[in-house]
Amino acid sequence: LAKTTQPISMDSYEGQEVNITCSHNNIATNDYITWYQQFPSQGPRFIIQGYKTKVTNEVASLFIPADRKSSTLSLPRVSLSDTAVYYCLVGDSQAGTALIFGKGTTLSVSS
Amino acid sequence: GAGVSQSPSNKVTEKGKDVELRCDPISGHTALYWYRQSLGQGLEFLIYFQGNSAPDKSGLPSDRFSAERTGGSVSTLTIQRTQQEDSAVYLCASTQQTNRYTFGSGTRLTVV
Repeated sequence: LAKTTQPISMDSYEGQEVNITCSHNNIATNDYITWYQQFPSQGPRFIIQGYKTKVTNEVASLFIPADRKSSTLSLPRVSLSDTAVYYCLVGDSQAGTALIFGKGTTLSVSS
Repeated sequence: GAGVSQSPSNKVTEKGKDVELRCDPISGHTALYWYRQSLGQGLEFLIYFQGNSAPDKSGLPSDRFSAERTGGSVSTLTIQRTQQEDSAVYLCASTQQTNRYTFGSGTRLTVV
């Protein structure tokens, strides 16, 4: 399974754009890149998934360069409620293996 | 149901006792996963069920841990002879063969 590396923590202020970059140098051809968000005392929640280029939904954008060895989760105009742990995962859903969660990036948003 | 349901939400047990944790996945989801999360840590994979295939038990930390999934739906995670290091939040997730998992709220297990 492709291993991912992301910063342990990040700090931001309300209204700023936050970009969290994840490295996955040995991503496989069939792997997708998936991001989850976890609030305290809750299970992780799916945010966004992509294979290449850019994906955008109502919550975030995901930028994936052509070589797919990294990806960047972009959160526009964060608020206090975006304070959470963000996990970057890489995997092939058809491979019959579970996603492996690392420690994620703890994002702290201040006013 | 509308989401993944786990019970109990909290469980306090004495060291050495057995515990059973239950997970009701989303109806129609063929894949079911168990993870555990110790305080301040990431999620640790435990076991994965996919349809009628043999489960992937590679993440179970010891033979005191076991899980079953009956009728392709409800799953039970059993921990025998609990130890203090088993204290954690046990999370269940289900999906329909995608990487978009839906997690339950977890069972917080405390072994005293």
